[in-house]
Amino acid sequence: AQSVTQPDIHITVSEGASLELRCNYSYGATPYLFWYVQSPGQGLQLLLKYFSGDTLVQGIKGFEAEFKRSQSSFNLRKPSVHWSDAAEYFCAVGLLSYNTDKLIFGTGTRLQVFP
Amino acid sequence: GAGVSQSPSNKVTEKGKDVELRCDPISGHTALYWYRQSLGQGLEFLIYFQGNSAPDKSGLPSDRFSAERTGGSVSTLTIQRTQQEDSAVYLCASTYPPTGADYEQYFGPGTRLTVT
Repeated sequence: AQSVTQPDIHITVSEGASLELRCNYSYGATPYLFWYVQSPGQGLQLLLKYFSGDTLVQGIKGFEAEFKRSQSSFNLRKPSVHWSDAAEYFCAVGLLSYNTDKLIFGTGTRLQVFP
Repeated sequence: GAGVSQSPSNKVTEKGKDVELRCDPISGHTALYWYRQSLGQGLEFLIYFQGNSAPDKSGLPSDRFSAERTGGSVSTLTIQRTQQEDSAVYLCASTYPPTGADYEQYFGPGTRLTVT
């Protein structure tokens, strides 16, 4: 069955430090992959997505992610974290077929940023 | 333009009562989704609508849960005889027909349901 694993429940970094959030997926075909961010009390906002082509994708707010088929990974990175990046981050696989269209989410990683 | 809206934003109900949660998708979006976010289960898919029909309702946790969509627009998620384990944030999302790189689900702010 399709699944998404985010191994880190909680990460704490200092402002200005680099960030990498891990995501591993289980899916038979080439996946549609997404990273969403959820700030406290807010809905989900799309950071970036991968469908095909260039394995390094750029997103909003200075984030990027790299698709590695051999490792079944889609890790999210940012070179310098800002205090406003504190939020919960969700990785997701999109399942699109003739009879379904849905996102399978990981359990999320909560990011805390210290000044 | 306007995003996905959901109402009410918060709902407190007593165990055993029925509740209705409403979702207004972005105008023109033909696909609509319901998800549930709870502490124990994370973010779970509930149901997918294309137009007024629901090709995939596999995520509905029990027959107490139902959803409908009318006029290809507004959707209502109904939970009958609510239980405490139904307490969660219910998120709605919408999109126009997915076409590869343009595909994105746009999420509403959610309805926080508390069953006492």
